[in-house]
Amino acid sequence: GQQLNQSPQSMFIQEGEDVSMNCTSSSIFNTWLWYKQDPGEGPVLLIALYKAGELTSNGRLTAQFGITRKDSFLNISASIPSDVGIYFCAGQLNRDDKIIFGKGTRLHILP
Amino acid sequence: NAGVTQTPKFQVLKTGQSMTLQCAQDMNHEYMSWYRQDPGMGLRLIHYSVGAGITDQGEVPNGYNVSRSTTEDFPLRLLSAAPSQTSVYFCASRLTGGNEKLFFGSGTQLSVL
Repeated sequence: GQQLNQSPQSMFIQEGEDVSMNCTSSSIFNTWLWYKQDPGEGPVLLIALYKAGELTSNGRLTAQFGITRKDSFLNISASIPSDVGIYFCAGQLNRDDKIIFGKGTRLHILP
Repeated sequence: NAGVTQTPKFQVLKTGQSMTLQCAQDMNHEYMSWYRQDPGMGLRLIHYSVGAGITDQGEVPNGYNVSRSTTEDFPLRLLSAAPSQTSVYFCASRLTGGNEKLFFGSGTQLSVL
């Protein structure tokens, strides 16, 4: 079945640093999604990507849809304390299809 | 709008007990789904539904039943709880027609002893 591999599993960074995380798949997805989960809450959508090669920004967040359609990355610039949480990539093969999630990258920010 | 509402927030069961996790949404979303979240495993899809009367299996359906008699509700049933079902369960919904934004509930933390 479809599997998503996220790396790294966890990150410890200093406030103000940039962050990069990525996601690879064993199969093609036609939509890539990035979600963030705060402690005790459900995940919230950050960025959605629809075309291979697409680069999309949302404030300090930038995500790209890989050319092969089997990978995506998320960058966070100038991290701040509220960026702490778990970041999930997710893929969808076709519109209206089920959405499969990766295992998540847990971001810790040191003061 | 209340969004996606899950009840209960916390539940402790004994092995072999049955229970139903409730999920309701008031956004008229056709698509509803259940995920479980375990440490180091991310979110795994249990069952999903693209509309009333239609359900389908996700990645980890064994041990769980669902039904979708109305657009608003999508209950998840554990017929005979096992310790391996200890997890945090999330219900999520979205519109269909090309809209992929999932709205999640706040989760149900289930412990099976």
